Amino acid sequence: EVQLVESGGGLVQPGGSLRLSCATSGFTLSDHDMDWARQAPGKGLEWVGRNKNKGNDYRTEYAASVQGRFTISRDDPNDSLHLQMNSLQTDDTAVYYCVAWIRSYGHWGQGTLVTVSS
Amino acid sequence: EIVLTQSPGTLSLSPGERATLSCRASESLSHPFLAWYQLKPGQAPRLLIYTVSSRATGIPDRFSGRGSGADFTLTISRLEPEDFAVYYCQQYGSPSATFGQGTKVEIK
Repeated sequence: EVQLVESGGGLVQPGGSLRLSCATSGFTLSDHDMDWARQAPGKGLEWVGRNKNKGNDYRTEYAASVQGRFTISRDDPNDSLHLQMNSLQTDDTAVYYCVAWIRSYGHWGQGTLVTVSS
Repeated sequence: EIVLTQSPGTLSLSPGERATLSCRASESLSHPFLAWYQLKPGQAPRLLIYTVSSRATGIPDRFSGRGSGADFTLTISRLEPEDFAVYYCQQYGSPSATFGQGTKVEIK
């Protein structure tokens, strides 16, 4: 069974940094593309970025709203995905989800809440 | 970036009625990677449909998806009380993915 568990959320001041993690199980992480997505309070879903699989050299792509501030990385031997978030702004406040794409099927975690506030 | 536009913004229907939700892409999709999700407050998104028309695990057959090119539709054949929620479409082809802005299905 595919499982994704996000962690690392919390309260951070504007301009600060936070690193989210996604622990994965039930599949071989290196074989699959992984996304981060988010939902701000009262808003819709927003795609944050993608880390391609090993066969695609782990290429990453980001939404324009986070380009240059957020970095996705992975630790395949330890079955984990990470999202490093720098220069956080109040409108980065959201629940962050990791998503595993396995044979075109998206598996989602339960999310972790990030609050950016002074 | 491919922009997805969902319509209508809100759909007011009664239980038992048919719901038809639209998702239009700003350009024709060159891939079949179009998904639909259901969102309820405090819950993670629930995948309903992937690759345009495949139902996700455990999704009742009253949910169906269809479409091609730039026009896609989610149909709920007979609304159950638990179906009143917000629905999002997503195109998840590489290199980037995008979501629509959502359609709220509310009780009339």
